[in-house]
Amino acid sequence: AQKVTQAQTEISVVEKEDVTLDCVYETRDTTYYLFWYKQPPSGELVFLIRRNSFDEQNEISGRYSWNFQKSTSSFNFTITASQVVDSAVYFCALRGGTSYGKLTFGQGTILTVHP
Amino acid sequence: ETGVTQSPTHLIKTRGQQVTLRCSSQSGHNTVSWYQQALGQGPQFIFQYYREEENGRGNFPPRFSGLQFPNYSSELNVNALELDDSALYLCASSEGLAGRYEQFFGPGTRLTVL
Repeated sequence: AQKVTQAQTEISVVEKEDVTLDCVYETRDTTYYLFWYKQPPSGELVFLIRRNSFDEQNEISGRYSWNFQKSTSSFNFTITASQVVDSAVYFCALRGGTSYGKLTFGQGTILTVHP
Repeated sequence: ETGVTQSPTHLIKTRGQQVTLRCSSQSGHNTVSWYQQALGQGPQFIFQYYREEENGRGNFPPRFSGLQFPNYSSELNVNALELDDSALYLCASSEGLAGRYEQFFGPGTRLTVL
């Protein structure tokens, strides 16, 4: 069985603060894929990043960065210098190599950035 | 390039009724997945269609059924609606089945069952 845990239910920060969203996953698959999605109040899930289990290189994209650590089954997401527009629900998701289309999502973390 | 579209945006039904939700996949995508997102929860996988065949199903009863058409658009049908079916229904399309393909989501259909 696959499982994704986002222990932080809600995070509140002030604009320009850095914030890290935690994600821990469980899977028996040796090949798997990890994703982060953003869900603004409009409801649409916006794809942010995908990581393959065989690629532990971390990535920075503008104000976003991701830290994938296979040894601790974690895939954390950091926003640097947060902005009000970053306010949304963020979901971490997992797809096993044998489960094709099925994405297993965490419960989500509500991020509120105050001006 | 047109993204994933869904219709209707909102829907109100009563218990016992039937509902059909529609999804048009992104251009070039042959795979469609459906998810149910209850309030305050993460999306739950319902099923996936690949080239008009169901390919994988989550833990949902048979009254949840679907179709995929030759143009890769898709329908989700729910019979005998229950109050717990009230949720945001999300459709996602991708280039193929393989895990490496990102799923791109539509704006969702908000279903309320009274």
